[in-house]
Amino acid sequence: EILLTQSPGTLSLSPGERATLSCRVSQSLNSVYLAWYQQKPGQAPRLLIYSASYRATGIPDRFSGSGSGTDFTLTINRLQPEDSAVYYCQHYTTSPEWTFGPGTRVEIK
Amino acid sequence: EVQLVESGGGLVQPGGSLRLSCAASGFTFSRCWMYWVRQVPGGGLMYVSRINNDGSFTTYADSVKGRFTISRDNAENTLYLQMSSLRAEDSAVYYCARGGPNHAFDVWGQGTKVTVSS
Repeated sequence: EILLTQSPGTLSLSPGERATLSCRVSQSLNSVYLAWYQQKPGQAPRLLIYSASYRATGIPDRFSGSGSGTDFTLTINRLQPEDSAVYYCQHYTTSPEWTFGPGTRVEIK
Repeated sequence: EVQLVESGGGLVQPGGSLRLSCAASGFTFSRCWMYWVRQVPGGGLMYVSRINNDGSFTTYADSVKGRFTISRDNAENTLYLQMSSLRAEDSAVYYCARGGPNHAFDVWGQGTKVTVSS
């Protein structure tokens, strides 16, 4: 079983600061299949990053992804109030297919 | 505008059945793999099922295998999830999603809530 662990659980930062979110996988995986999503209250998740480091269509370049093996990072530069959300990492493998992390809540002070 | 709109959720008793629908628009539905993902209260996201573009290939999470059936009508641009033998632990918001690059989900519907309770 593949487990995704996200840290920290909650991040509280001020506008203009940088957020660094971590996603750790229980076993080394193909980074091609690592994605990040943003979910605001009452909304569906939105794809931010796929293949660990490629921004999805329409995603500002303030959002960037990096990492390989078992450690992946989502960085949000120049935080804005609208970035307040829960961020999930997700991985695909042939079994057990898609797995999501528990999420990191980003609060903007 | 690319859009997915789910419907069909509601309150159902344990052991009951429900069929969810997802109407797609703004893209060529018949070319896309489609998915159902659910989210329990408190946030946890879980893959439920997938179907290939022509409906000939499907997979399911172990927890729903044998109880849920995914299908699609490409003429109507609609995805379905037939759920039977429902359990309390199936209570969640169910999202349909479009398959994107490298097994990511690049378009999501707004979700439909399913509550299994007596």
